[in-house]
Formats: sequence, C-alpha cells, structure tokens
Amino acid sequence: AQKVTQAQTEISVVEKEDVTLDCVYETRDTTYYLFWYKQPPSGELVFLIRRNSFDEQNEISGRYSWNFQKSTSSFNFTITASQVVDSAVYFCALTGNSGNTPLVFGKGTRLSVIA
Amino acid sequence: DGGITQSPKYLFRKEGQNVTLSCEQNLNHDAMYWYRQDPGQGLRLIYYSQIVNDFQKGDIAEGYSVSREKKESFPLTVTSAQKNPTAFYLCASSILAGAGPNTQYFGPGTRLTVL
Repeated sequence: AQKVTQAQTEISVVEKEDVTLDCVYETRDTTYYLFWYKQPPSGELVFLIRRNSFDEQNEISGRYSWNFQKSTSSFNFTITASQVVDSAVYFCALTGNSGNTPLVFGKGTRLSVIA
Repeated sequence: DGGITQSPKYLFRKEGQNVTLSCEQNLNHDAMYWYRQDPGQGLRLIYYSQIVNDFQKGDIAEGYSVSREKKESFPLTVTSAQKNPTAFYLCASSILAGAGPNTQYFGPGTRLTVL
C-alpha cells in the first residue's frame, strides 16, 4: 500500500523567512511519481511539481525548491524568502506507474506567513 | 478559457435527500476523478473514470454514485446512504497519454453541508 506522511500539521513563519515542508512516502513500486499541490483559501488545488522516481535531481523554480531523496523516501519542499501570498495548505501526493491511477495524498501542512 | 468547473460552489442538503454535484471540463482530458476533503484531512478518492461509460470505485465510494455519459462531464450524486456527507468535494481531470501518470488538475470545489 502507498502512504504519504506530512508530519507538520501547521507552520507559522514571519515574512522573508525560509521554510521547509516535509514529505515522507511509502511505496513498493519501483517506479512512482510524487507531486506537490498548493491549496489557497479559495479551495482549489494548484499543481506545483511532479517528479518521477528515477529523477533525483533537486529542482528550483523561483523561490520554490524541492529536495528528493530516495534513500530516506522524502520529497521536501522549501520556500525561500516567504511571502504572505504563500499562506496556504500544501499537499504532497504519490502515485504508481500502473496507468493513470489516482493520487494518494498526505494530510497537508498549513503554512501561515505573517507580515 | 480551458479549465474545470464545478457547480454549485455551496450546497445545502437536508438529511435524506440525494444531491448531485456537477463537474465539467473543456480540457479534452480523458480521465476524471472525485475526491472528498474533510477538515484537517488530505483528499480521499471517491470515484474515478478513465473513459466514457466506465468508472471505478475509490477508497470511500459507499453512499456515492457517478456517471460518465460524456467525456467532458462527470457528475457525482451524494445519496441518502452517505451517513456523513458534509465535506468539501473536489473534481479533477488528467490526460491519458504516454507512460506513467499524468498530472491531475483540479476544479474549484463544492462545499456540501447537511442541515
């Protein structure tokens, strides 16, 4: 069975601080995909990144960066110089490679960035 | 504009009533999904469909029904058999192309409250 754990339920930071959101996953698949989504107060989930299990390179997109480590089954997300607009719930998700199977989500981390 | 629309945004239901949540996409996506989100919880899969006139149960299908008569539409009916239907419902869609899972994109959600 697949499982995603986001141990941090809520995080509060002051604007301009860096913050890392943790994601640990479990799967028996050798090929799998990991995702991060952002859910702002409006409720709609916004896709941020998709990473497959064969690509362990870290990725940077503006103030966002992702650290994928298969050795520790982790796919952590860092926001550099956080802004108030980053306040949202962030979800990590996992799926295998057997067709377009649905996502398994973690419970999410609520990030509050205080001005 | 291309996207996924869900209606209504807010829905109130009396106990014992069936209600239908609408989900429409004009992205020409093959697969569509319904998730349920409860406060402080991740998303849990209700049903998904990869082609017209075919769908599969997810983890929490009891008390729900779906249909997929058209590629662009995937309505969800919450029946009176669903004992605790108050939740936020999210619809998603994805293409079915290439190897491996394709990214799911989400609609704005419907918040259902049972009175």
